[in-house]
Amino acid sequence: NAGVTQTPKFRVLKTGQSMTLLCAQDMNHEYMYWYRQDPGMGLRLIHYSVGEGTTAKGEVPDGYNVSRLKKQNFLLGLESAAPSQTSVYFCASSYSIIRDIWDPRISYNSPLHFGNGTRLTVT
Amino acid sequence: QKEVEQDPGPLSVPEGAIVSLNCTYSNSAFQYFMWYRQYSRKGPELLMYTYSSGNKEDGRFTAQVDKSSKYISLFIRDSQPSDSATYLCAMTEDNYGQNFVFGPGTRLSVLP
Repeated sequence: NAGVTQTPKFRVLKTGQSMTLLCAQDMNHEYMYWYRQDPGMGLRLIHYSVGEGTTAKGEVPDGYNVSRLKKQNFLLGLESAAPSQTSVYFCASSYSIIRDIWDPRISYNSPLHFGNGTRLTVT
Repeated sequence: QKEVEQDPGPLSVPEGAIVSLNCTYSNSAFQYFMWYRQYSRKGPELLMYTYSSGNKEDGRFTAQVDKSSKYISLFIRDSQPSDSATYLCAMTEDNYGQNFVFGPGTRLSVLP
C-alpha cells in the first residue's frame, strides 16, 4: 500500500517549457487535490477533483491545468512555465466523507493524505 | 488578515519539554480541525483530527479547540528529537471536503 505517489520528485524547467506532474493513489479515494507550498504562505489549493472525469478550480488555478481520466490518477500540467511557479507541489487525496465508527448515521469530512511532493524550479 | 494565522517559529526546546503550538482563525464556520506534521522534504502527515470544540488526546499529543476564541492548540508532552518538524494546522467547514485552509506552519526543533 503505497498511499499517494508523486513523480517526478525534482525538476528544473526553463521559462516557457511545459511539463506534467503525475499523482497516483491506491486508497480508492474519491477526491484528489493539487496544492503548492511556498515559504510563509501555507498550502494553497490549485485544482481538485471530486471524482473520475471531474475537475474544479481552487484558490490559485491560473497557469495550471489538470485531468482525472482514472480514479487513481490526477495530473497537473504547466503549459508555459514561469519563475512564479517555482514551488513545491503536493498531491493529496481523501474520501468524500467518513462515517462515525460508532454511529454510521454521523459523517465527517475526511482528512487529506499527502504525497511527498515535487520540487519544481523554473529559471 | 490571513484566514489562518500561525507563529512560524522556529521554536527550539530541550528534549522532554512540553511544547505548545497554536493557530488562530477568522472564519467562525470552521468545524473540522487538523494538525499535520511535516518532516523536511516530505509531505504533511495527519497527526490529529478533531470536530468542533474540546480536547482530544493521542499518546503524547493533545489537540484543543476553542471555537469561541477561534483558537486551536497542539500540545506535545515529553518532546523528543524525532518531533522536530514543521507543524501545520488546517481547518474546514462542514462542506465535505474541498476547502481545507492551512496555516503557514511552525518549525519546531527539539534539542537532545
